[in-house]
Amino acid sequence: SQQGEEDPQALSIQEGENATMNCSYKTSINNLQWYRQNSGRGLVHLILIRSNEREKHSGRLRVTLDTSKKSSSLLITASRAADTASYFCATPYGATNKLIFGTGTLLAVQP
Amino acid sequence: DAGVIQSPRHEVTEMGQEVTLRCKPISGHNSLFWYRQTMMRGLELLIYFNNNVPIDDSGMPEDRFSAKMPNASFSTLKIQPSEPRDSAVYFCASSPRTGGELFFGEGSRLTVL
Repeated sequence: SQQGEEDPQALSIQEGENATMNCSYKTSINNLQWYRQNSGRGLVHLILIRSNEREKHSGRLRVTLDTSKKSSSLLITASRAADTASYFCATPYGATNKLIFGTGTLLAVQP
Repeated sequence: DAGVIQSPRHEVTEMGQEVTLRCKPISGHNSLFWYRQTMMRGLELLIYFNNNVPIDDSGMPEDRFSAKMPNASFSTLKIQPSEPRDSAVYFCASSPRTGGELFFGEGSRLTVL
């Protein structure tokens, strides 16, 4: 399947540190998206990076995309306790461009 | 805009009962998705509508599941009869364009006893 794999599955850091999460996917894509999910809530879109982009920034978020390696990374700088959540990558797949989500990284930021 | 609205937020029912989950997408969005989330299987896409037409229902688990979108502002996901293994959080999401970012509702947590 096209499902992405996030790495690591879980990450625990101290407030102020940087957090890096990785996503690998299997087939060619036209974009890759990152989402956040707080416990008990719906997913929230963070950032979309197109296949012709290598890096994108949004506030404390930095996303990179390496289409040759079929991988992406999400960096959260100067983390805060409020960043504690699960983070998912997602890619449009197939002729219908349905959005398929990866397995997620659970990030815990300790105050 | 109020965002994607799902109801009910929580549903507890007994095996064999019919369950209907409802979704109101964001006005103007032409794509609507139903996902199911469990610890074991993660986020699974069940069905995807574009302009009210089902485009991809390959993720619908079996005939007990059905989804409709009678108009641009309303969709339902029905399970009949429900089984304990259907227990999950069901999310509805809408998007303004094919392949674009999704806007999720808060989900409907279903427990089938």
